[in-house]
Amino acid sequence: DQQVKQNSPSLSVQEGRISILNCDYTNSMFDYFLWYKKYPAEGPTFLISISSIKDKNEDGRFTVFLNKSAKHLSLHIVPSQPGDSAVYFCAASGGNTPLVFGKGTRLSVIA
Amino acid sequence: KAGVTQTPRYLIKTRGQQVTLSCSPISGHRSVSWYQQTPGQGLQFLFEYFSETQRNKGNFPGRFSGRQFSNSRSEMNVSTLELGDSALYLCASSSPGNPTEAFFGQGTRLTVV
Repeated sequence: DQQVKQNSPSLSVQEGRISILNCDYTNSMFDYFLWYKKYPAEGPTFLISISSIKDKNEDGRFTVFLNKSAKHLSLHIVPSQPGDSAVYFCAASGGNTPLVFGKGTRLSVIA
Repeated sequence: KAGVTQTPRYLIKTRGQQVTLSCSPISGHRSVSWYQQTPGQGLQFLFEYFSETQRNKGNFPGRFSGRQFSNSRSEMNVSTLELGDSALYLCASSSPGNPTEAFFGQGTRLTVV
């Protein structure tokens, strides 16, 4: 039973355009959501997060949107840069539970 | 401030052997979690330790175990290794002030042959 789903295994975007990565969750108890970026041979690094009391959080080129009624969140990267090419993981947490991760989306930004 | 340190970075073991992986969290972090990453499966939670006590456990067989020491350093052990245990094992630590945001180490790449 996959509680956090990233249905797109990969995404290719032209440099300078917007990248939109999507994530769906099934557990209503989740109240905190995070995005991590992972390069090969490195551990995931924290990118941006959002609490369930908000519907948007912005940090520079990165914006996360949360739609609680649809149990859906998305990460927008504008403008996309070649250095953004990595695997992006969506993660969720509720209460004192450990982070639950999606399977990741590989983003390729083409110059 | 030093990040999460995992040792060794790479390991090759034979089926049936056992292995111990080590994780040193960021100074001041008392929670340590372990994850297994395999191709196409994302990060699957193994267990979490806080103040030397296992606080949460994922859905892995008993061959997977862990512990945490008084200095918050953690080890995980896998006994009777199987080919399917080949994976990247990631350790993450978090602070009491922000328990949800986890900081990951570079991982240990375990190959079972």
